[in-house]
Amino acid sequence: KQEVTQIPAALSVPEGENLVLNCSFTDSAIYNLQWFRQDPGKGLTSLLLIQSSQREQTSGRLNASLDKSSGRSTLYIAASQPGDSATYLCAVNVGNQFYFGTGTSLTVIP
Amino acid sequence: GAVVSQHPSRVICKSGTSVKIECRSLDFQATTMFWYRQFPKQSLMLMATSNEGSKATYEQGVEKDKFLINHASLTLSTLTVTSAHPEDSSFYICSADRDRGTEAFFGQGTRLTVV
Repeated sequence: KQEVTQIPAALSVPEGENLVLNCSFTDSAIYNLQWFRQDPGKGLTSLLLIQSSQREQTSGRLNASLDKSSGRSTLYIAASQPGDSATYLCAVNVGNQFYFGTGTSLTVIP
Repeated sequence: GAVVSQHPSRVICKSGTSVKIECRSLDFQATTMFWYRQFPKQSLMLMATSNEGSKATYEQGVEKDKFLINHASLTLSTLTVTSAHPEDSSFYICSADRDRGTEAFFGQGTRLTVV
């Protein structure tokens, strides 16, 4: 069974700092990997989708990488802002369902 | 991107009553929808996979008689929590994708509180 782990569980950084969130998964047989943002009490907002054949995807200040063979993905956030404060979840798609990580709670301090 | 609408966003009900949550794909047809549950400070756990026109597939440990799922059309799936108890209080989220293995779109979630 696929297991998804995210490190760190929580992260607090000053505004303007660049940061990296990590996601690892145990089974490399995936269709794709998605990074989501979740604000308290809210649903999920899709940030980036990386297909299994891709190495990275970029959207604005966000860059996600995927190393399927080693079962790892990173989400890089450049020039962090207080509005980036949220929980970030990665999820791997194995075709018939998603497996979610436990999330990284990010706080960006003004 | 595609839109998945979930309703209601919040519901409070009394113990023993039933609550229905709707999940609609607004601009695409979804043959498969997924229902997740999220406890405080925990990640999403898949409850069941809803297939249009057939019975839902439940994950181990999820009571199918308690969590009734109906996927009557290609744009609508419903989750009914029957005989709700306080321990059913949680955040429920649905998702849908256009095709197997493609990007998933999530509803806004439903905060259920059973009193």
